[in-house]
This record gives sequence, C-alpha cells and structure tokens, in this order.
Amino acid sequence: GAVVSQHPSWVICKSGTSVKIECRSLDFQATTMFWYRQFPKQSLMLMATSNEGSKATYEQGVEKDKFLINHASLTLSTLTVTSAHPEDSSFYICSASPDNYGYTFGSGTRLTVV
Amino acid sequence: SQQGEEDPQALSIQEGENATMNCSYKTSINNLQWYRQNSGRGLVHLILIRSNEREKHSGRLRVTLDTSKKSSSLLITASRAADTASYFCATDEATGFQKLVFGTGTRLLVSP
Repeated sequence: GAVVSQHPSWVICKSGTSVKIECRSLDFQATTMFWYRQFPKQSLMLMATSNEGSKATYEQGVEKDKFLINHASLTLSTLTVTSAHPEDSSFYICSASPDNYGYTFGSGTRLTVV
Repeated sequence: SQQGEEDPQALSIQEGENATMNCSYKTSINNLQWYRQNSGRGLVHLILIRSNEREKHSGRLRVTLDTSKKSSSLLITASRAADTASYFCATDEATGFQKLVFGTGTRLLVSP
C-alpha cells in the first residue's frame, strides 16, 4: 500500500532556531501534500497544501513566513518552522493522496521548542 | 476551514459493548472518512464512505452517512481494549480543492 514517511519523528530545538520536517511519498508520486498541526488532545488542523513546483496554499491564520513549505519533487515536501518559539511546540503531520481519493498520513513529528 | 464536530468528546465503555460516535459537518462533501489515532501517533485510515452511499461495513465497523443532515456515525461492535484510541471523522469537501477537514474527535476508552 501507499506509504508516507515523515522525518524526524521527534525533535527538540532551542527558541529562535529553525527546524525542518520532511515528508516523503515512498511508492507513489504526490503532486500535492498536506501539512497538519495537532495540539495535545485536540484535532488536526490543516495548515497548508503543498504543491509540487509551485507555491503552497496556506489556510487562514497560518503565517507563511513562519512555516515555510517547499515541494521540490514529486515525492518530497518539507516544512520548516522558522525562528521557533515554545508556542510552536506541537505535533505536525503530513499526508498525501496516492489516488486523489484516499489519504495516507505520515507518522508525525513531535516538535518541542525549549 | 470549518471544522466538523463530533460527539461525544469522550466515551468510556466495557469490553464487549458497542461504541457509537457521531460526526456533523458543514459543507457539501465528496466523501467522509474515519480515522483512528493512538496517543501521540499517526493516523490510521479506517473507512471511507462516498457522498452517494448511506451505509458501509468493514469488519466490526459500521458507518452511516446522512447528507441531508450533514452527519455520520461510526459504530464499533464488540469493542476490545485495543480499540482504545481517538477517532476522527474527516470530510473531503466538494470545493474543487482537494483537502481533508477533520472533526473534533472522540476519545474512546475500552476497559477490560
């Protein structure tokens, strides 16, 4: 079946530094990938839609300069949290659709900013 | 995006009992999907029901969809302790833009 690999699974960084999270589709091409954010005991909130070869589409209220998305190939999208602060600590999950029908999710990245 | 709502927020039952979770949404949809998430982990796709379907089964799972009421339910029969997790509905909105909007989730606890 379709697999989406997300790396790293957890990361701790200092306030003010940047963190890059990778999302790879392992056995299919994904022209579109999705990035979600989840706070403890809450649901997933869509942050942005990553489009291969073009700019990402951000949801209302998500700072595009804060959360940089790059989708340089058909199998890789990256999310960079720039100048991270403790309030950016969260669980970030990516997903992709192998067939424009169902969705496959990565295993998530737990970011802790200290 | 307008997030859907689920109820109950939390549900605690004994093994062997059935668990029912409800989901309401706000927009027209292409399909509705249910996912499971164990604490702090990724999501596992459970079942997808298209907008022109009313009921679907998969093992111990039964999903219904009522597009006139913009609601769906997930029934887990003969629950097991291993079913303990959070369950989310997600709608694939019929907006022309492909994206999933998640409901608020139900935390299910199944006690042995």
